[in-house]
Amino acid sequence: SQTIHQWPATLVQPVGSPLSLECTVEGTSNPNLYWYRQAAGRGLQLLFYSVGIGQISSEVPQNLSASRPQDRQFILSSKKLLLSDSGFYLCAWKGDRRGEQFFGPGTRLTVL
Amino acid sequence: GESVGLHLPTLSVQEGDNSIINCAYSNSASDYFIWYKQESGKGPQFIIDIRSNMDKRQGQRVTVLLNKTVKHLSLQIAATQPGDSAVYFCAEGDSSYKLIFGSGTRLLVRP
Repeated sequence: SQTIHQWPATLVQPVGSPLSLECTVEGTSNPNLYWYRQAAGRGLQLLFYSVGIGQISSEVPQNLSASRPQDRQFILSSKKLLLSDSGFYLCAWKGDRRGEQFFGPGTRLTVL
Repeated sequence: GESVGLHLPTLSVQEGDNSIINCAYSNSASDYFIWYKQESGKGPQFIIDIRSNMDKRQGQRVTVLLNKTVKHLSLQIAATQPGDSAVYFCAEGDSSYKLIFGSGTRLLVRP
C-alpha cells in the first residue's frame, strides 16, 4: 500500500534561517505531488505541484521553492524564512480517483 | 477571485444527532466537489465526492448534496459520533489538477 512520509514533524526556526522540508512517497511510481500550507484555523493553500522529476509548478509568489530530485521525493525549501512562513505544511499525492489526494502527517513550522 | 467558503465556522451537535455542514462555491467551471475531514494535528482525509451531474451521493453515514442553482454543497453525517469531531473542508475542482479548499468548519460532538 502507498504511504507518505514527512519530516520533521515540528520545527522552530529563527527569522532569516533556511528551511528544508522533505516528503517521500512509497508504494507508487510517478505520483503527482503537492505542497500545501495551512495557517492556524484556516484552509489549505496550494503552494507547489509536481507531475514528475524536475517539474514544478508554483501557485503563489513567495520566498519558498520546491524541488523534485527523485520520483518519490518532494522538497520544500527557503533561503530565508519570514514570520509569515509559520504554518502547517502538508505534502500530498494524487490518488487514482479524481480529486482524491492522500496527505502526509504534516510539518508544523514556527518561525520566531 | 474564485473561492470556496463555508457558512458556519463551528458546529456543535449532540452525539447521535445528525450533522449538516454547508459550503458555498463560486467557480462556475467547477464540476467536481469533495469533502475532506481533518483531525487535530493530522492531514486531511478524503470522505466523499460528487460530480456536477449529480445532486446527491451517499456513503457510509454520510451524504453529500449539491445544488448547482445556488452553488451550494452540504455534507450530512447521520448519527454523529465522538469520532466525527474534526474540521471538515469542502473542495472544488475543474479540469485542471488543482483543488480549491474552503476555510473549514469545526464539528464538535457533545457526549
